Amino acid sequence: DAKTTQPPSMDCAEGRAANLPCNHSTISGNEYVYWYRQIHSQGPQYIIHGLKNNETNEMASLIITEDRKSSTLILPHATLRDTAVYYCIVRVQETGNQFYFGTGTSLTVIP
Amino acid sequence: NAGVMQNPRHLVRRRGQEARLRCSPMKGHSHVYWYRQLPEEGLKFMVYLQKENIIDESGMPKERFSAEFPKEGPSILRIQQVVRGDSAAYFCASSHLSSTTYEQYFGPGTRLTVT
Repeated sequence: DAKTTQPPSMDCAEGRAANLPCNHSTISGNEYVYWYRQIHSQGPQYIIHGLKNNETNEMASLIITEDRKSSTLILPHATLRDTAVYYCIVRVQETGNQFYFGTGTSLTVIP
Repeated sequence: NAGVMQNPRHLVRRRGQEARLRCSPMKGHSHVYWYRQLPEEGLKFMVYLQKENIIDESGMPKERFSAEFPKEGPSILRIQQVVRGDSAAYFCASSHLSSTTYEQYFGPGTRLTVT
């Protein structure tokens, strides 16, 4: 699975959009981009995933560049409860493939 | 629909004792994964199991660690003769056999402290 690079930490004002970048320049054609977050040592929580097209769900939006070498997770209106470590993971979408968690981005939402 | 359940949530063992961690996957899920998270680090994959089968144990230490997922009952991660370096949070995740998205749903974790 390809390696990802994320900034170690970010701040965001409450109510503003949080944009979390991820570089995955060695991603291959059959690898998906997944985002998880971990709130204060709880179990990681699935957020969203995508292959080529931008994706949106009730939690967030995922913007993937055309060359797929980077992506951005967008939390449209950050709240204090969004303070967490966010992990960007690329993985071949097959049952049984484990997720390789890096060190992620520690997002702090500031009141 | 209950999520992934793990127990105990906290476990304290003395060096040399055995630790047993249990994981009940989400209803309808037949794939279970175990991860370990050391302090200030990301999660590291340990083992992937389906009912009665170990599919991938490439992340498991060669000694003292074992895992099972019996036909009935929860998945068990067993650590024999624990040492201080085993102190960590152990997370279980499950996924659905026929899922087309393959995301994994994580439990709350078991925090093992070896004294």
